[in-house]
Amino acid sequence: QLQLQESGPGLVKPSETLSLTCTVSGGSISSSSYYWGWIRQPPGKGLEWIGSIYYSGSTYYNPSLKSRVTISVDTSKNQFSLKLSSVTAADTAVYYCARLAVTQPFDYWGQGTLVTVSS
Amino acid sequence: QSALTQPASVSGSPGQSITISCTGTSSDVGSYNLVSWYQQHPGKAPKLMIYEVSKRPSGVSNRFSGSKSGNTASLTISGLQAEDEADYYCCSYAGSVVFGGGTKLTVL
Repeated sequence: QLQLQESGPGLVKPSETLSLTCTVSGGSISSSSYYWGWIRQPPGKGLEWIGSIYYSGSTYYNPSLKSRVTISVDTSKNQFSLKLSSVTAADTAVYYCARLAVTQPFDYWGQGTLVTVSS
Repeated sequence: QSALTQPASVSGSPGQSITISCTGTSSDVGSYNLVSWYQQHPGKAPKLMIYEVSKRPSGVSNRFSGSKSGNTASLTISGLQAEDEADYYCCSYAGSVVFGGGTKLTVL
């Protein structure tokens, strides 16, 4: 059974860079059938797609976040990562990682991790 | 890239049917049959319920169905049950990905 697990600091200071890692187990991140993505959800609000990455390193970002986002993949560790720079309180959210396929988009999700931006 | 438009809330009694709409544009919902729906219970990760407008993943009840007309997609839940009470999100995933604002379903 495929599992995804987010990890990283739960508290980030304003203007700093938020860094999260998603570890994939029970399957290979190098499968040609899937992309891997990050989605966030501010407290009490809706879902927002941040971006997606293919195992080869090809990336797709939300245009509204593109200037601050970097998503990378480490196939040797079966992980992919998110960096979001110059964070503000508006970036406080539960951050999810998920698998994306054209056939069944976001069919597997991590449990989510709350990141709070505060000094 | 604007969020897809969903009603903030819908409600229905057990056994009834409800429909949640999701309106996009000719650039997203209207152009591709790549619309999905997610169910999210409080404190939980979203769960894929419908993909490619009307297909159900294995294990999802056939009480859930999807359709599309023009720039608007719809999720219908028939035979409402208490466990269906949750937030529902639509998503267009043709290249770029955009979610709807979410709809809170209350089972009366």
